[in-house]
Amino acid sequence: AQSVTQLDSHVSVSEGTPVLLRCNYSSSYSPSLFWYVQHPNKGLQLLLKYTSAATLVKGINGFEAEFKKSETSFHLTKPSAHMSDAAEYFCVVSVWMDTGRRALTFGSGTRLQVQP
Amino acid sequence: EAGVTQFPSHSVIEKGQTVTLRCDPISGHDNLYWYRRVMGKEIKFLLHFVKESKQDESGMPNNRFLAERTGGTYSTLKVQPAELEDSGVYFCASSQERRSGEFFGPGTRLTVL
Repeated sequence: AQSVTQLDSHVSVSEGTPVLLRCNYSSSYSPSLFWYVQHPNKGLQLLLKYTSAATLVKGINGFEAEFKKSETSFHLTKPSAHMSDAAEYFCVVSVWMDTGRRALTFGSGTRLQVQP
Repeated sequence: EAGVTQFPSHSVIEKGQTVTLRCDPISGHDNLYWYRRVMGKEIKFLLHFVKESKQDESGMPNNRFLAERTGGTYSTLKVQPAELEDSGVYFCASSQERRSGEFFGPGTRLTVL
């Protein structure tokens, strides 16, 4: 079984300051890990994914995440927040099921607010 | 290229009524998924279609929910009769191959009064 814990339901930062969204996971298997973002009235958009290659993963819009197996963490960071980053972010762990489906387990989401 | 679209964007119904949600996947995507997020909790899997066949419906909560994908194109999710606990956001996603990434729609927000 797998689970995902997003440690903060809300994060507020000032524009131009760093962003840190925390995620811890548990999985019985070697997981793939993802971060998705949802802007208002938009679909979930894939930010980045970790699939057992490099532990530091770079995504779109300047975001990156580091897979730390010893800490079972996959925190999302960005050096400098932009107003357009305000959205809800989801950490996701995936494993392959016998049915051929990739089972996605979502965290509860972190709402990022960016202050001018 | 058009993304995954869902209709309606919002639906408000009374307990006991019927609601049908629609999802149009990206053209050519054989895999279609339904997820839902209830009461601000985690997004959870409902079911998976490959073309018109239900590949995995292990996440369907009960027999009040019926999903169809006639012809392997768009899909509908019917809730009959709706209960208060069905309120939430219903997401649809599609992918071309099982191992390729899913593209999500904007969701349908369902409110049952």
